[in-house]
Amino acid sequence: AQTVTQSQPEMSVQEAETVTLSCTYDTSESDYYLFWYKQPPSRQMILVIRQEAYKQQNATENRFSVNFQKAAKSFSLKISDSQLGDAAMYFCAYQETSGSRLTFGEGTQLTVNP
Amino acid sequence: EAGVAQSPRYKIIEKRQSVAFWCNPISGHATLYWYQQILGQGPKLLIQFQNNGVVDDSQLPKDRFSAERLKGVDSTLKIQPAKLEDSAVYLCASSLEYLLAGEGYEQYFGPGTRLTVT
Repeated sequence: AQTVTQSQPEMSVQEAETVTLSCTYDTSESDYYLFWYKQPPSRQMILVIRQEAYKQQNATENRFSVNFQKAAKSFSLKISDSQLGDAAMYFCAYQETSGSRLTFGEGTQLTVNP
Repeated sequence: EAGVAQSPRYKIIEKRQSVAFWCNPISGHATLYWYQQILGQGPKLLIQFQNNGVVDDSQLPKDRFSAERLKGVDSTLKIQPAKLEDSAVYLCASSLEYLLAGEGYEQYFGPGTRLTVT
C-alpha cells in the first residue's frame, strides 16, 4: 500500500521569507500524481500544486514550487515571499491513477509570523 | 460555478445514535468521494462513486457505515450506530470522470461536516 509521510508536524516562517515543507512517499508504481493541498481553519481543502510523475520538470504556481525527486521518492513544497494568508495546514497527497483515491500525509501546520 | 455543497456543517450525537450527511457535487462531475478526517490526521477515503456505482469502498466500515448516490448526483453517507471513534470531519469531494483521458483530475472538496459523538 502507498504511504505518504510528512515529518514536520509544525513549521513557522516570517512574512516575506521562504519556507520548505517536506514530504516522502512509498510506491512501487512508475506513473502517479502528487499534490499539495492547503486546509485553512475553514476546513476547505484547496489544491495548491500538482506534479505528474512522468514529468521531470518541477511544477510551479506563482509563489509555490516543488522539488520532485522521483528516485528518492521525495516531494517538497517551497513557498516564496510568504504571506499571512498562507498560514494553514498543508497536506501532501499521492494518487495512483487519474481519479483514484488520494492518500494523504499527516499534515504540516504552517504559521506565518508578521 | 457553485462548489461542492455539504450539510449539515456540524452535528453532535450520542453514541449508538444514527446520523446522515448529504453532499451535492459540482454539476457535471461524475466521480464523488467521501473522506473521513480524524483530528490531527490527513483525510482517508471511505468510498468512491463513479456516477451511481461504487468504485472503491475498501476502507468503509460496512458494519456501521453506508452510502448511496441515487441518480448519480447527490450522495448520502450514513452511520448507524455511531461510536466515539467516529468523531471526525467528513469531507465530500468530486471530480470529472474517473480514468478519463489519463489525466489527474483535480478533486474539489466541500467544507465538510464536523461530527462529534459523545
